[in-house]
Amino acid sequence: SQTIHQWPATLVQPVGSPLSLECTVEGTSNPNLYWYRQAAGRGLQLLFYSVGIGQISSEVPQNLSASRPQDRQFILSSKKLLLSDSGFYLCAWSVLRQGLSEAFFGQGTRLTVV
Amino acid sequence: AQSVAQPEDQVNVAEGNPLTVKCTYSVSGNPYLFWYVQYPNRGLQFLLKYITGDNLVKGSYGFEAEFNKSQTSFHLKKPSALVSDSALYFCAVRDSAGNMLTFGGGTRLMVKP
Repeated sequence: SQTIHQWPATLVQPVGSPLSLECTVEGTSNPNLYWYRQAAGRGLQLLFYSVGIGQISSEVPQNLSASRPQDRQFILSSKKLLLSDSGFYLCAWSVLRQGLSEAFFGQGTRLTVV
Repeated sequence: AQSVAQPEDQVNVAEGNPLTVKCTYSVSGNPYLFWYVQYPNRGLQFLLKYITGDNLVKGSYGFEAEFNKSQTSFHLKKPSALVSDSALYFCAVRDSAGNMLTFGGGTRLMVKP
């Protein structure tokens, strides 16, 4: 069966420090991968998605970047965090095979920038 | 561009009563529609989906949703609400190419005993 791992679960970082959040998927190949941010327990904002290794699409200009060094690994990074980067970050994967088109989410990372 | 609207920030229901959480969408081509539930500080859990076929789809925990093409709606329903159904619910749409999954703003469901 497929599983998705996202870590860390919580993170407190000072303003100006770097960030690296990692997401890995097991049990599937060539998934679409997504990073979302959720502010204040409400709507989800799509940050990045990837349809293959090295292929990243950015939906919102911001202080963040994403990379996909391996088929089932998706990394969210920042060189210098801002206070406004605080939020709940969710990684997700999906595939486009018939009957399996929904996205599956990791447990999320609560990032607090202080 | 595709979009999803959930017009209600919060829905309050008494336990045992039916519930409806509304969702309307806009997308090019045939829509793939989804409902997810989120409990505090957790990721989203998949509830149900509409891809094609019967307009009434059944999902987890007794939830169902009705696809209405003419009204571009996909409302979530349950005949009898439970207190444990209290959570944040998200509607989502995917376009025919399948790469973009767009979520609504979420609706908080409060079921009171």
